[in-house]
Amino acid sequence: QVQLQQWGAGLLKPSETLSLTCAVSGESLSGYFWSWFRQSPGKGLEWIGETYDGGSSHYNPSLKSRVSISLDTSKNHFFLKLNSVTAADTALYFCARGLRRQLYFDSGSYHNRGYFDYWGQGTLVTVSS
Amino acid sequence: DIVLTQTPLSLSATPGQPASISCKSSQSLLRTGGRFHLDWFFQRPGLAPQLLIYEVSNRFSGVPEKFSGSGSGTHFTLNISRVEAEDVGVYYCMQSEQVPRTFGQGTKVEIK
Repeated sequence: QVQLQQWGAGLLKPSETLSLTCAVSGESLSGYFWSWFRQSPGKGLEWIGETYDGGSSHYNPSLKSRVSISLDTSKNHFFLKLNSVTAADTALYFCARGLRRQLYFDSGSYHNRGYFDYWGQGTLVTVSS
Repeated sequence: DIVLTQTPLSLSATPGQPASISCKSSQSLLRTGGRFHLDWFFQRPGLAPQLLIYEVSNRFSGVPEKFSGSGSGTHFTLNISRVEAEDVGVYYCMQSEQVPRTFGQGTKVEIK
């Protein structure tokens, strides 16, 4: 049974760095793509970005200058870092596994098409001075 | 970016009656590899989204048969054949045709 367990600091001050970890059990990181999403209070879902073993990371243009997603295959973990947070980054953050259905080449890199079948439980991150 | 527009944004359903949610895309989704990359999720407050339907019409493992999806191009639909109390929550469509991946605004389903 695949499980994603996530954790990280829940309260940050403006300008600090948000760091979250997602631990995957029941399956290797290889062969899938791994994503982060967030949901601001009372709002809808937003894709932050993703990465996969042996491939490049892709980010939402709205966050691209501040975000980094990486993997540690030895630990079966993947990570989210978001720099210079503000109150607008206050949200419930989720990690998720992407099951690849197609790999395609566009704008100089490979991208995944697929669907998100397993999700972490969510981590509430609040940014407040 | 592909914009997904869901209607209605809220739905008050009668138990045992059907319900339908529409998701319209700002661009026609291409049928790549024989698939349209449009999925449906269900979310209860404070919890993670749950995959219901992937690639327009495929029910994910464990999802009841009362949920079905259809559509192509720019218009997609989620149908619930008989709404029950456990179906209360928010439903989202999401496209994985291209990055950035985007969601519809969500449809809140309540029971009358």
